[in-house]
Amino acid sequence: AQSVTQLDSQVPVFEEAPVELRCNYSSSVSVYLFWYVQYPNQGLQLLLKYLSGSTLVKGINGFEAEFNKSQTSFHLRKPSVHISDTAEYFCAVIRNTGGFKTIFGAGTRLFVKA
Amino acid sequence: NAGVTQTPKFRVLKTGQSMTLLCAQDMNHEYMYWYRQDPGMGLRLIHYSVGEGTTAKGEVPDGYNVSRLKKQNFLLGLESAAPSQTSVYFCASSYQTEAFFGQGTRLTVV
Repeated sequence: AQSVTQLDSQVPVFEEAPVELRCNYSSSVSVYLFWYVQYPNQGLQLLLKYLSGSTLVKGINGFEAEFNKSQTSFHLRKPSVHISDTAEYFCAVIRNTGGFKTIFGAGTRLFVKA
Repeated sequence: NAGVTQTPKFRVLKTGQSMTLLCAQDMNHEYMYWYRQDPGMGLRLIHYSVGEGTTAKGEVPDGYNVSRLKKQNFLLGLESAAPSQTSVYFCASSYQTEAFFGQGTRLTVV
């Protein structure tokens, strides 16, 4: 079975500071990896995804993530956050052996303070 | 582009009542999903469909039924609502990898 663990439930950070949101996954097979963002009272939208190739993936709004196969991690980073980045962030995986069910982590609430 | 549309957006039910949530997508996606979102638990998969006429159980299927009679629609039914089903429900569709989500339905069962 596969699972996704987001290591921090809440991350408070000051505006213009760097941030890292941590995600670890477990799977006996290769996976696709995703980060989604959910702004208040909205649905989820894709930030970035890793399917194959370069392990450093760049997404929207200045976010990037690095796939580390040996550590089974896919941490999300941004060098300088804005107030508008305040949202909930979800790490997710899909097994690439057939079937495309997305399994989500519990979410990390990023709170950017002025 | 409408994308994924969920109706209704809000609903309050009394325990024991039934209701159907409708999800419609205009992207011709084969895969459709119903999730529920509860605080601290992320999104949990209720049921999903890999094509018209097919459905399958997800992680938390008990108390819910689904139907996919048309490719663009995926219905989620609650036959006898319980307070434990108070949640925010999200529908999503995908071709293969990236999922596209609706805006959610906030359901309260009293």
